[in-house]
Amino acid sequence: SYELTQPPSVSVSPGQTARITCSGDALPKQYAYWYQQKPGQAPVLVIYKDSERPSGIPERFSGSSSGTTVTLTISGVQAEDEADYYCQSADSSGTYPGVVFGGGTKLTVL
Amino acid sequence: QLQLQESGSGLVKPSQTLSLTCAVSGGSISSGGYSWSWIRQPPGKGLEWIGYIYHSGSTYYNPSLKSRVTISVDRSKNQFSLKLSSVTAADTAVYYCARTTPRPYNWFDPWGQGTLVTVSS
Repeated sequence: SYELTQPPSVSVSPGQTARITCSGDALPKQYAYWYQQKPGQAPVLVIYKDSERPSGIPERFSGSSSGTTVTLTISGVQAEDEADYYCQSADSSGTYPGVVFGGGTKLTVL
Repeated sequence: QLQLQESGSGLVKPSQTLSLTCAVSGGSISSGGYSWSWIRQPPGKGLEWIGYIYHSGSTYYNPSLKSRVTISVDRSKNQFSLKLSSVTAADTAVYYCARTTPRPYNWFDPWGQGTLVTVSS
C-alpha cells in the first residue's frame, strides 16, 4: 500500500528554522497538505496544495515541493509551535480517491 | 464559522457496532459541494482516514475498513454518521469528523474536537 514517510522527530531552538519532510512516490502528481496537532486537540490545517497557507495561519509556516518530497518549514520557531505535524495526500492507486497520512513528526522546541 | 461536533457512545463492547454522529453548525451540509469525512487516531498513534461521503451521496472507504464501515448523511438534520461493525480493541481511538474539500482536492478543514471510543467488555 502507498505510504508517506516522515521523520519521527525534529528538534530546534527557539528562533531557528524547522524543516519537516514528507516523502512519497506520488507526490509529484498529487498535492500535499500539512496539519498541526497539539496534545489533546484536533489537527489544524496549516498548509494546503503544497504551499498555500490558510487564513489565520502565521506567515512563519510555509510549504514547498521538490520531486517526491514535500517540506513544511517553520521560520523563527516559537515555543507554541511544539506539536505533532502530519502530512497528507491522495492515494496514488487511481482506483479510488483514497487518502493517506504520514506517520507524523514530533517537533520539539528546545 | 463552520463547526463540527461528534457525539455517540464512548464505550462499545467487542463484536458490536460503533455508531457516531457529526453535527454541523454555522453552515449547511448541502452547500459548497463539500464532502464529509471520518478520521481516527488510536491512543498515542497517528491519523487514519476512515472514509468520506461526497456531496453526491457517493461514499469512499479505506480499503482496510471497507467491509465494516458505513457513512451516511441526514441533510434534514445537517449531520452525518459513521457506523463501524464487528469492533475489536484495535478500533479504540479518538474519532474525528471533518469537512473535506471538493474534488480533485481532499484536504480536511475544519475538524471536530474528536470523541474517544473505547472497545472493551
